[in-house]
Amino acid sequence: DIQMTQSPSSLSASVGDRVTITCRASQGIYNYVAWFQQKPGKAPKSLMFGASNLQSGVPSRFSGSGSGTDFTLTISSLQPEDFATYYCQQYDSYPRTFGPGTKVDVK
Amino acid sequence: QVQLQESGPGLVKPSQTLALTCTVSGGSITRAGHYWTWIRQHPGKGLEWIGYIYSSGTTYYNPSLESRLTMSVDTSKSQYSLKLSSVTAADTAVYYCALEDPYGLKYWGQGTLVTVSS
Repeated sequence: DIQMTQSPSSLSASVGDRVTITCRASQGIYNYVAWFQQKPGKAPKSLMFGASNLQSGVPSRFSGSGSGTDFTLTISSLQPEDFATYYCQQYDSYPRTFGPGTKVDVK
Repeated sequence: QVQLQESGPGLVKPSQTLALTCTVSGGSITRAGHYWTWIRQHPGKGLEWIGYIYSSGTTYYNPSLESRLTMSVDTSKSQYSLKLSSVTAADTAVYYCALEDPYGLKYWGQGTLVTVSS
């Protein structure tokens, strides 16, 4: 299985901050990475696919980059509704695997 | 807009079989390139991919669960199902059904909590 790691595991930030989350795959996965946002008690919401493609309706303050083994999710200006846990996921091979998550909370 | 809804018992006894169904609406379950997926999340933990079923009945199961897992699809009802046998407390989780298409896991059900307890 491809292992996905994320850093940091948690971070505290303020509204307006630029936030960057990194995700690393245990082997090369081209750009087959997706990012999800999850709020407590809710299903994950897909933010991005193909490492850098925003799902429809996702604000442009979210961006993604990377290929191979290293990927990043950036929120350019954190908004109150962005406090949540973020997961990366690889869909290069089966079984699909997720990173352990990064919790973004209020500073 | 595809919508998915999980249904099934919220409480299952140890050693019994957990059975859930996902009802699909707003789109065709037989559409090409759509992989009907199950994912679970243990309380307070991360996401675990369980497996998928295609409308043809082709499946791929996570090897960690494969020996206990069966998925099926009923295209006439736009439903697909999961059965996990010999459950233990370690199978207590929120179970999600989701659709993987070329844009990834774009659509998710709301999730259903299944507790394994006597």
